Amino acid sequence: AQSVTQLDSQVPVFEEAPVELRCNYSSSVSVYLFWYVQYPNQGLQLLLKYLSGSTLVESINGFEAEFNKSQTSFHLRKPSVHISDTAEYFCAVKEGGRALTFGSGTRLQVQP
Amino acid sequence: NAGVTQTPKFQVLKTGQSMTLQCAQDMNHEYMSWYRQDPGMGLRLIHYSVGAGITDQGEVPNGYNVSRSTTEDFPLRLLSAAPSQTSVYFCASSYSSGGGNTIYFGEGSWLTVV
Repeated sequence: AQSVTQLDSQVPVFEEAPVELRCNYSSSVSVYLFWYVQYPNQGLQLLLKYLSGSTLVESINGFEAEFNKSQTSFHLRKPSVHISDTAEYFCAVKEGGRALTFGSGTRLQVQP
Repeated sequence: NAGVTQTPKFQVLKTGQSMTLQCAQDMNHEYMSWYRQDPGMGLRLIHYSVGAGITDQGEVPNGYNVSRSTTEDFPLRLLSAAPSQTSVYFCASSYSSGGGNTIYFGEGSWLTVV
């Protein structure tokens, strides 16, 4: 069965510093991997996804994530964060036609 | 293009009352689902539907009913609300359940059961 572990519930970081949000998954088959972002009192928005091909995927606002099959990880990174990146980030995994399974979320708190 | 629309946004219920959370999408998506979000637990799947007339249970279906009479609508019914159902509910849709199709979420419905 598919499952997702987000190792950090909260990550405080100063503005313009780099950040990494960790995500590990468990699955017995090939998977699709997603990062969603949730701003306060809003729904979830897709940030980026890995389907196949290049293991490094990027979003339009500077985030990137690398699929590592041997370590079953899909960590999210950004070299320099902004105050506006403050949000909760969810990693999710999907096997074929099954529904998305979400991690418990990581709250990114960017401080000035 | 409205995407996924949920109503109401906020609701307070008394224990034992019933209500329906409405969800509609205008993207002609076949796949629709309901999740609940609780602190520290991420989103958990309640029910889903792969097309009109077809529904199935997710991870936490107890206490909830769904139906899918049209492609556009997927209401979630609470027949007898309990305090344990206090949560934020999200409706979502995608083109199909297969592959890596992007799932689009509504804005959420905040439900408090007292």
